[in-house]
Amino acid sequence: SQQGEEDPQALSIQEGENATMNCSYKTSINNLQWYRQNSGRGLVHLILIRSNEREKHSGRLRVTLDTSKKSSSLLITASRAADTASYFCATDQATGANNLFFGTGTRLTVIP
Amino acid sequence: GAGVSQSPSNKVTEKGKDVELRCDPISGHTALYWYRQRLGQGLEFLIYFQGNSAPDKSGLPSDRFSAERTGESVSTLTIQRTQQEDSAVYLCASSLLTGRTEAFFGQGTRLTVV
Repeated sequence: SQQGEEDPQALSIQEGENATMNCSYKTSINNLQWYRQNSGRGLVHLILIRSNEREKHSGRLRVTLDTSKKSSSLLITASRAADTASYFCATDQATGANNLFFGTGTRLTVIP
Repeated sequence: GAGVSQSPSNKVTEKGKDVELRCDPISGHTALYWYRQRLGQGLEFLIYFQGNSAPDKSGLPSDRFSAERTGESVSTLTIQRTQQEDSAVYLCASSLLTGRTEAFFGQGTRLTVV
């Protein structure tokens, strides 16, 4: 079964606005990763945050991790139409299962 | 190669036929994953290979599904006696070291069972 769930399932914003997506997971993790998917094909890695980190930045992306709440958020600032895609979180479980478990995804639409 | 390569990119097959999907991971990546993604859904884990260790097959949905990988090279996912519910995009990913590092995805194989 999938480890994570993203919220909201779909998000529509105007270009220039910020977009925030949330991910909740169930078990202890080593790290959490965010991926982006265009047009239902291959996923592209965006950012990885380790369990001992609380916040990480990469360009217009900001990721936070709260291990006590088993949740993470992805913030995209100053959104662009090209940011339109589906965004997934993936967790590397600390239980020894050598796997990446993906959430259900958030479909982001940025309106020009 | 430069990235993860999957073939074919699209496959249409008749119900009941067997299909074989191929994944060429990035050279040197010891971990290889197969996922299934139905239209508008998330990624469903199928199977995971790590070097020469026994694969984690816990995600395979039925005994019609099997996968092989020789060492750290090519992997094939085989679906026998395909059913319409097998229609999906099958995604392969590889990574340098299990889930501790980023995974690189291929573009997937879109399988349509008619």
